[in-house]
Amino acid sequence: DIVMTQSPDSLAVSLGERATINCKSSQSVLFRSNNKNYLGWYQQKLGQPPKLLISWASTRESGVPDRFTGSGSGTDFTLTINSLQAEDVAVYYCQQYYGTPYTFGQGTKLELK
Amino acid sequence: EVQLVESGGGLVQPGGSLRLSCAASGFTFSSYWMHWVRQTPGKGLVWVSRISGDGSDADYADSVKGRFSISRDNAKNTLYVQMNSLRVEDTAVYFCARALSSTSLLPAYWGQGTLVTVSS
Repeated sequence: DIVMTQSPDSLAVSLGERATINCKSSQSVLFRSNNKNYLGWYQQKLGQPPKLLISWASTRESGVPDRFTGSGSGTDFTLTINSLQAEDVAVYYCQQYYGTPYTFGQGTKLELK
Repeated sequence: EVQLVESGGGLVQPGGSLRLSCAASGFTFSSYWMHWVRQTPGKGLVWVSRISGDGSDADYADSVKGRFSISRDNAKNTLYVQMNSLRVEDTAVYFCARALSSTSLLPAYWGQGTLVTVSS
């Protein structure tokens, strides 16, 4: 199984500042034939289901604010949230869909400083 | 608008069975892979199973293989998971999710979840 490891486990950032969450996979999730990274990012607020923010490591989903940016390739990925807003307080998860079982990172809890 | 509504959760004793349902609307159900994902209260997300649009292909996490069975009724726009030989560690909120597209099987649209509690 591909193990997904996120860092940090928790993060406190001031309003308007930048938050950076890292995700590392135990093996590459880059599919060479199409040059796509099979990596997604989710946001989960308290009491709600996860919301998909980013697919293919860097493709922002429709309606997701452009302050959310996904980057990286192979085994190392980053979710950056610029100009943090109060509504961004949540737990963020990465997930690989390169192969089954699809696996998630353990989550990063983002709080306001 | 994509809508997914899970049902069937509840309290069951260890060794018991339960069938969860997920009613889908707002899209052509038979065109998409569907998933079950679970989340232990206060903990992270664990992928459980997926099934192809026509129901001919399915995969499972090792932890549920041989005990859970995913299926779908495309005429009723409904996804199911039959859970047998339930264990205490199967206690979780179970979400159904639709794949993003025909080329991306990433779970993209999620229901609100249904709670399964396995306890004596």
